[in-house]
Amino acid sequence: QSVLTQPPSASGTPGQRVTISCSGSSSNIGSHAVNWYQHLPGAAPKLLIFSNTQRPSGVPDRFSGSKSGTSASLAISGLRSEDETDYYCATWDDSLDGWVFGGGTKLTVL
Amino acid sequence: QVQLQESGPGLVKPSETLSLTCTVSGGSMSSYYWSWIRQSPWKGLEWIGYMSYSETTNYNPSLKSRVTISLHKSKNEVSLKLTSVTPADTAVYYCARGRGGSPSDHWFDPWGQGTLVIVSS
Repeated sequence: QSVLTQPPSASGTPGQRVTISCSGSSSNIGSHAVNWYQHLPGAAPKLLIFSNTQRPSGVPDRFSGSKSGTSASLAISGLRSEDETDYYCATWDDSLDGWVFGGGTKLTVL
Repeated sequence: QVQLQESGPGLVKPSETLSLTCTVSGGSMSSYYWSWIRQSPWKGLEWIGYMSYSETTNYNPSLKSRVTISLHKSKNEVSLKLTSVTPADTAVYYCARGRGGSPSDHWFDPWGQGTLVIVSS
């Protein structure tokens, strides 16, 4: 089991808004910023959101992140077929003294 | 822009040492932290450890006794050695650059494409 809990799957139709949750504890999300990665299997994982809400240059503003307490969320609006892939949350964990990841959410665009 | 490329044997025998190299191109290694991360079907993504450019290291406690990460600055390379491997170490291994303040504030960008290592006799 992963330290951070994500739903294994999510889905939506083109144009819809979907959110992916990431749940942790006071030693990780409750104390540190959350980052989100997009990963197409076989390719390099790509940074999508850093420091809870920040988008790297080149990432569309359809992607947004938020954090409250010991949970974080990734929202994707205006869903497109190319968004169909895997998404992971990650943060630092004080108990581990290292980074931890969510188990990943497979997004399907119906 | 910086690109990372992992390389190394795709098959390692149990009890032997897994050795991988990450080549950094298109940018400098200085001022960054360099991590190894692996992904297996049974454990998902797992952070292995990092080395900073100033050669500070930090390893995942579950792997610490078996892991060594090194920087080869003149070659722009980061290496990973994992000793006494078992089939549970079978995974895709990624290298990634850590950015942003102190390690606990970091994000990984970019990542390499990863290399599959199978541990089997």
